[in-house]
Amino acid sequence: DIQLTQSPSFLSASVGDRVTITCRASQGISTYLAWYQQKPGKAPNPLIYATSTLQSGVSSRFSGSGSGTEFTLTISSLQPEDFATYYCQQVHSYPLTFGPGTKVDIK
Amino acid sequence: QVQLVQSGAEVRKPGASVKVSCKASGYRFTSYGITWVRQAPGQGLEWMGWINAYNGNTDYAQILQGRVTMTTDSSTSTAYMELTSLRSDDTAVFFCARTPSRLGATDYWGQGTLVTVSS
Repeated sequence: DIQLTQSPSFLSASVGDRVTITCRASQGISTYLAWYQQKPGKAPNPLIYATSTLQSGVSSRFSGSGSGTEFTLTISSLQPEDFATYYCQQVHSYPLTFGPGTKVDIK
Repeated sequence: QVQLVQSGAEVRKPGASVKVSCKASGYRFTSYGITWVRQAPGQGLEWMGWINAYNGNTDYAQILQGRVTMTTDSSTSTAYMELTSLRSDDTAVFFCARTPSRLGATDYWGQGTLVTVSS
């Protein structure tokens, strides 16, 4: 199985900050990576697929990059509604797996 | 607009089974698959499997093989996930999500169904 790790696990930031979350895969997955945002008590909200393509309706302050084994999710200017937990998911091979999550909290 | 509406919360005793439904609307049901994901309290997301709503083909997480069955009913645009031989560590919120293909990211999610397994 492909394992995903995320760093940091927890991030404290202020409104307006530029935030970067890293996702690393245990083996190469080309660009078969997605990102999700989840707020407490809610379903995950798809943000990005194929490493860098924004889902419909997602703000352009979110961006993704990477390939192979290292990927990043960047929020260019953190907004109050962005405080949440972020998960990466590889869709390269079965079983599909999620990263453990990165919680973005208010500083 | 695309919507996935799941059935309500369930409580089961250990050893019992549960069947969660996910009714889709706003798109052609058989043109997509449905992924099921679960989330134990305070934990991360766990991929459970995928069903092709066109032909019923399935892929299940190895850890759930033999206990999980995913089905669809195209006449009602509804997907189902049944989990048997429930244990306390199956307590979780179960989500369904629309997925364009077998190896694809999800794009719309249901609201989640809490299943509590307790004696």
